Amino acid sequence: EAGVTQSPTHLIKTRGQQVTLRCSPISGHTSVYWYQQALGLGLQFLLWYDEGEERNRGNFPPRFSGRQFPNYSSELNVNALELEDSALYLCASTSAYSGSYNEQFFGPGTRLTVL
Amino acid sequence: SQELEQSPQSLIVQEGKNLTINCTSSKTLYGLYWYKQKYGEGLIFLMMLQKGGEEKSHEKITAKLDEKKQQSSLHITASQPSHAGIYLCGAAPRYNFNKFYFGSGTKLNVKP
Repeated sequence: EAGVTQSPTHLIKTRGQQVTLRCSPISGHTSVYWYQQALGLGLQFLLWYDEGEERNRGNFPPRFSGRQFPNYSSELNVNALELEDSALYLCASTSAYSGSYNEQFFGPGTRLTVL
Repeated sequence: SQELEQSPQSLIVQEGKNLTINCTSSKTLYGLYWYKQKYGEGLIFLMMLQKGGEEKSHEKITAKLDEKKQQSSLHITASQPSHAGIYLCGAAPRYNFNKFYFGSGTKLNVKP
């Protein structure tokens, strides 16, 4: 069974540009989570999508946005890039929300460098 | 401030030695996850603990959640170079359990 996939693996952008990261969940999973792991800051929750809707977001500015498609894949968009956006962006998927903990399966991540 | 405190921040051990990583919360945890991350790569789920006093093992890794559900420890027995990486504990608030948060991680190096 294929795991969570993310693309691209690496990306270099300059300040002010926009970027789109992509994530494909495990087949049958309907929830997708996005995390940012910046150097020295640990893993930070960004966004949660379930059944095509944004269900929750972390403490990030509105220039971080995304969407989930009918096939449950997801995009993370970051506008007006800033140097501190340089980080590893991780996507995770889980099966349908059941009111209790579901294990999250993580993708390999996209490393974004902003110059 | 970090809601989950991990210690130590980094660890270097000789191959074959045992080691323990701790994760402490100021709040009662609804559940506690342990992950391993290879440098710059995605997270690998190790185990999840939910009940106070619960203990789980996978190969040479054992994790425990204390009775008060505010502290967890991860113990590696007879460490190997393959155990090297960053170990993260993660959790979510009781009534918002889809908003995960993580500790800052423990970087483990195992010297052959």
